[in-house]
Amino acid sequence: DAGVIQSPRHEVTEMGQEVTLRCKPISGHDYLFWYRQTMMRGLELLIYFNNNVPIDDSGMPEDRFSAKMPNASFSTLKIQPSEPRDSAVYFCASSLRAGEKLFFGSGTQLSVL
Amino acid sequence: QKEVEQNSGPLSVPEGAIASLNCTYSDRGSQSFFWYRQYSGKSPELIMFIYSNGDKEDGRFTAQLNKASQYVSLLIRDSQPSDSATYLCAADRGSTLGRLYFGRGTQLTVWP
Repeated sequence: DAGVIQSPRHEVTEMGQEVTLRCKPISGHDYLFWYRQTMMRGLELLIYFNNNVPIDDSGMPEDRFSAKMPNASFSTLKIQPSEPRDSAVYFCASSLRAGEKLFFGSGTQLSVL
Repeated sequence: QKEVEQNSGPLSVPEGAIASLNCTYSDRGSQSFFWYRQYSGKSPELIMFIYSNGDKEDGRFTAQLNKASQYVSLLIRDSQPSDSATYLCAADRGSTLGRLYFGRGTQLTVWP
């Protein structure tokens, strides 16, 4: 298996633009997580899904952030409109079952100018 | 109070020494604890997990858990320059299955 696949690897955009991050989890994994990592706040959980259903989105910063998982092999995280403070590395991760090893994607480095 | 706290470091040890990384957590309901290693510019990867009080050994790595003190540690014996990375401690949230809280990480440098 190729592991968790994220795209794009890097995204540079201007404030106010819409940003869409994409993730393909490992086949057969029931859980998908979106994390954000910054120097100041470390690795923060934004939202996670179980069998394509959002379970906990309490980490989503505000209404500008939304996430979907239309099927077991694809998820998106959208920021609209983007702001400079959204600049961070966004990781997608998947796991076979709850409480087990997380497999992380390579991350998306987002820069909002 | 952050759910998982780590010594921010940086921690610097000579090659061959024992590196000791520490972590405390606030949720007494947490059951599962993890140590992830993250090289600069890379994604985190799991190196150890522990569920029960006591020690768990895997090669040069030993994880220690003390639930009464809400304390988790990672010992790296015979440290190598290739161990230089940021080590992230994580704990589950006892009341919400699947949710992990991560500490901010401890940066370790092993010098030859």
